[in-house]
Amino acid sequence: NAGVTQTPKFRVLKTGQSMTLLCAQDMNHEYMYWYRQDPGMGLRLIHYSVGEGTTAKGEVPDGYNVSRLKKQNFLLGLESAAPSQTSVYFCASSYWFSGATGTYEQYFGPGTRLTVT
Amino acid sequence: QKEVEQDPGPLSVPEGAIVSLNCTYSNSAFQYFMWYRQYSRKGPELLMYTYSSGNKEDGRFTAQVDKSSKYISLFIRDSQPSDSATYLCAMSAQDDKIIFGKGTRLHILP
Repeated sequence: NAGVTQTPKFRVLKTGQSMTLLCAQDMNHEYMYWYRQDPGMGLRLIHYSVGEGTTAKGEVPDGYNVSRLKKQNFLLGLESAAPSQTSVYFCASSYWFSGATGTYEQYFGPGTRLTVT
Repeated sequence: QKEVEQDPGPLSVPEGAIVSLNCTYSNSAFQYFMWYRQYSRKGPELLMYTYSSGNKEDGRFTAQVDKSSKYISLFIRDSQPSDSATYLCAMSAQDDKIIFGKGTRLHILP
């Protein structure tokens, strides 16, 4: 059971280059999320998915695209990287909340550190 | 006004003290409330989950939600140096998005 894995762990891009970040989970979770974390800004939601074949915009979706072709994978794409996209990117997966009587399970990946020069 | 407000700290307390961490929010539709712990250069780890108002206890950790005041708290009893980390609150309504606070850096002094 690997939990949530992210590929790659580090990447340096030049302005205008493209790349795809891969998130994989082996817990059969329906929900997957992409966040970015910048100093002093906390975690900001980029895009999320509530199931295979679905995606939705979060707080800061501009400049990013996502796809969820398989339940276990959630891809984040940068079509034309900009220095403002320098950040640490975290993927997470979860079940949906179970209300007052249940528990909630969510796991984050180790992060991808992206630098755009 | 940002949806979720959290004092960034840093907060320094002596070992063994009770720690109180807080968040306020503006969206009255939030009903799922979480606390995460994040060590340096690691991903966040879910600590506590609370639905609607009330208290929840897990070991040394207690989470409180006061929906009437739009205020949530995390208490850590008998704090240890290993509790030194950034603590993030997060919350969600029915629309599937989970919104995070900016996090509070906590230092437990031996």
